[in-house]
Amino acid sequence: AQSVTQLGSHVSVSEGALVLLRCNYSSSVPPYLFWYVQYPNQGLQLLLKYTTGATLVKGINGFEAEFKKSETSFHLTKPSAHMSDAAEYFCAVSDFMGAAGNKLTFGGGTRVLVKP
Amino acid sequence: EPEVTQTPSHQVTQMGQEVILRCVPISNHLYFYWYRQILGQKVEFLVSFYNNEISEKSEIFDDQFSVERPDGSNFTLKIRSTKLEDSAMYFCASRGTGEGSPLHFGNGTRLTVT
Repeated sequence: AQSVTQLGSHVSVSEGALVLLRCNYSSSVPPYLFWYVQYPNQGLQLLLKYTTGATLVKGINGFEAEFKKSETSFHLTKPSAHMSDAAEYFCAVSDFMGAAGNKLTFGGGTRVLVKP
Repeated sequence: EPEVTQTPSHQVTQMGQEVILRCVPISNHLYFYWYRQILGQKVEFLVSFYNNEISEKSEIFDDQFSVERPDGSNFTLKIRSTKLEDSAMYFCASRGTGEGSPLHFGNGTRLTVT
């Protein structure tokens, strides 16, 4: 069974400061990892994904994440926060086995507040 | 860019009533999913659907729930007799073929059971 743990349900950062959102996963097979963002009253939008290859992946809006197998982590970062980054962020894991075909298991989410 | 659309955006129903939540997945996608998010809680998997049949379902997806793809474009979630605890945001998602292809989510239907 897969699981995802996001450390910190709320994170507050100042505009221009580093954004760091932590995600640890457990999976019995090599995982596919995703970060999604949810703005108020909207659906889940893909920020970035890791499948294979380069462990540092870049996504939209200046975000990037690094897959570290030894630490079972996939932390999300952005060097400089913008007011528009205020949203809830979800880390998710899937495998490529099973009839479901890449069902996602989500972490609990981290709500980001950006202070001016 | 193609997107997943869900209707209605809000649905209020009385306990015991049947509701149908509708989704139009991205047209060339073959895998379909329903997730739900109870207020303040994590996004939970309900069911996945491929080749006109359920491929996996969670413990939440009991006999009160059913899914259907009645035609070539719609994908529906039916709750036969709603309970108060069914109040949640329900998200439809679809995915194309290819390993690691991501799920694309709709904006959700907020279901309120009174």
